[in-house]
Amino acid sequence: DTEVTQTPKHLVMGMTNKKSLKCEQHMGHRAMYWYKQKAKKPPELMFVYSYEKLSINESVPSRFSPECPNSSLLNLHLHALQPEDSALYLCASSHGRAVQETQYFGPGTRLLVL
Amino acid sequence: GDSVTQMEGPVTLSEEAFLTINCTYTATGYPSLFWYVQYPGEGLQLLLKATKADDKGSNKGFEATYRKETTSFHLEKGSVQVSDSAVYFCALRGNRDDKIIFGKGTRLHILP
Repeated sequence: DTEVTQTPKHLVMGMTNKKSLKCEQHMGHRAMYWYKQKAKKPPELMFVYSYEKLSINESVPSRFSPECPNSSLLNLHLHALQPEDSALYLCASSHGRAVQETQYFGPGTRLLVL
Repeated sequence: GDSVTQMEGPVTLSEEAFLTINCTYTATGYPSLFWYVQYPGEGLQLLLKATKADDKGSNKGFEATYRKETTSFHLEKGSVQVSDSAVYFCALRGNRDDKIIFGKGTRLHILP
C-alpha cells in the first residue's frame, strides 16, 4: 500500500479565515513533505519533516504553518492567505531521506483564496 | 545546482503511436531519477524510477534508462493509449538534501 491521503479535496476560504489541510500516511514513512503546485507548473517544495521535526522550510511565508503531531499525520495551518496562494497543495512521504527513496504523493487539496 | 530539462510540449499523438519524452539532467554525484505522471485534477503518481547508471525503470508499458554518459532519462512507450493523456514530470533526487528537482512537465494528448 503506497497511499497518502489528504483532506479536504477542495477548499475555498476568504483572506481572513483560518483553515487547516490534513495529510495522513500509514506506510511507516518517517519523512513527510508539503508542496505547492500552481497551474501548469511543477510542484515546489515548501516544508520537510523528518522524524516529526521540521528539517527544511523553503522560506515560506508565516501565513503557512506546518505541524506534525505524529509520524502518520501532517497538517498545514493557513491564516490570512492571499489570492495568489490559490493552488494545489500536495503532501508526500518517503521511507527516509536517502537519495534513492521514492516520495509518494497524495491527491492534493485544491485551494481557492477569495 | 541540480536541474532537470525536459521537452515541454504539448505532445499530441495518435493512439498506438510510439512515444518518447526527452529528459536530461545536471547533478553532482549519483542522483536517483524518476518519472511522475499527473492525470487531470489529480496528484502525482510515481510512474518509474532508476537509482543508478544503466538501470532501467519500467511500469505500465513505459520504460526509461538511466544514462550517465549522456545524463539522460528519456521516457518511452511503444504504443500509447488515450488513457495515457496526462502531464509527465521528469525528476531527480540528489545527494545533498531532500529536494526533488522537477522538470517543467510535458503535457501529452493522445487522440483516438
